[in-house]
Amino acid sequence: SQKIEQNSEALNIQEGKTATLTCNYTNYSPAYLQWYRQDPGRGPVFLLLIRENEKEKRKERLKVTFDTTLKQSLFHITASQPADSATYLCALDGLGGGSQGNLIFGKGTKLSVKP
Amino acid sequence: NAGVTQTPKFRVLKTGQSMTLLCAQDMNHEYMYWYRQDPGMGLRLIHYSVGEGTTAKGEVPDGYNVSRLKKQNFLLGLESAAPSQTSVYFCASSYGLANDEQFFGPGTRLTVL
Repeated sequence: SQKIEQNSEALNIQEGKTATLTCNYTNYSPAYLQWYRQDPGRGPVFLLLIRENEKEKRKERLKVTFDTTLKQSLFHITASQPADSATYLCALDGLGGGSQGNLIFGKGTKLSVKP
Repeated sequence: NAGVTQTPKFRVLKTGQSMTLLCAQDMNHEYMYWYRQDPGMGLRLIHYSVGEGTTAKGEVPDGYNVSRLKKQNFLLGLESAAPSQTSVYFCASSYGLANDEQFFGPGTRLTVL
């Protein structure tokens, strides 16, 4: 069955450093991959979408890569700030796995940026 | 624009009671979704709709029913609540399926005693 893993439940880094979050998947080949941010007590908010034929995508301090050979996406936040502290979710389309094209979400990685 | 709204924000039910969660969106989106989020489980799709009058099962549909009588509204019903349905429920909407971003509501925290 399809499986999505985000590298760790929690990641602690120092302000100003680059945060790197990992999303690995197995048993299917998604055409799209999305990243969301979720703050406590709130719904997820969309950040970036990357397609299978795109290696990298950037938005301000955010960068996402998509390696279909390694079956992995990396999400980077450069020059991190305490305001970046949140849980980050990766989500992949299930077209290749029988979920009629709906998104399948990872469990998330909680990022804490210390001043 | 209000985006995606959900009512109620909180609810406590006793086992066996029924209730309906309401989701509304003002973005004219075709697609709407209901998810539940539990600690350690992530977001799981309960039901979804690809347009007015249509509904389909997601990953964890048992114990829930849905209706999409109007394009802007998507209702989630629990006919006989069970403690296993204690969760945070999120509604979302989008223009397309996995190739479009989803807009989420603020969530409903439901406790079933």
